[in-house]
Amino acid sequence: AQRVTQPEKLLSVFKGAPVELKCNYSYSGSPELFWYVQYSRQRLQLLLRHISRESIKGFTADLNKGETSFHLKKPFAQEEDSAMYYCALSESGGYQKVTFGTGTKLQVIP
Amino acid sequence: DTAVSQTPKYLVTQMGNDKSIKCEQNLGHDTMYWYKQDSKKFLKIMFSYNNKELIINETVPNRFSPKSPDKAHLNLHINSLELGDSAVYFCASSPLGFTEAFFGQGTRLTVV
Repeated sequence: AQRVTQPEKLLSVFKGAPVELKCNYSYSGSPELFWYVQYSRQRLQLLLRHISRESIKGFTADLNKGETSFHLKKPFAQEEDSAMYYCALSESGGYQKVTFGTGTKLQVIP
Repeated sequence: DTAVSQTPKYLVTQMGNDKSIKCEQNLGHDTMYWYKQDSKKFLKIMFSYNNKELIINETVPNRFSPKSPDKAHLNLHINSLELGDSAVYFCASSPLGFTEAFFGQGTRLTVV
């Protein structure tokens, strides 16, 4: 069974400080990993996915298969980064079941 | 144009009532989902449909019944509502091959 774990429910950092939102997964196959973000009063939206290897809004995430992790990082936090962040895993091929982590609330303190 | 739209946005109802939440997507996607986000912001999948066919049915009470009249619509009907059903329900869609899920704005259900 696939599982996504986000160990921190709340992460508070000061503006300008580095951010790391942790995500660990368990899956026997070859997963596809994503980060979704939900800003206050807005819909959930895709932030980035590991296959794209892109940086969105200064965020990056590297898939580490050895550690089964997909941590989200940003070198300098901004107030507008305050939001709820969800890590998600999708099976590759066939009908994909997408499993979300329980989410981490990022609070950037001015 | 709204990609995934849910109606209503807010729903307040009494225990024991039956209610429906509608979802429509205009993206031409094959797969649609219902997720429940509880008061602690936990996001959990409930159902997934692919081309009107039920693919995923997580451990959800039988009072919840999804209906997909066509691949652009996935409605959620809830019978005999209970206080614990209060949550935000999100509809989403994705293309087959899942590159990204597009979410609706959510329906905040409050059972009193």
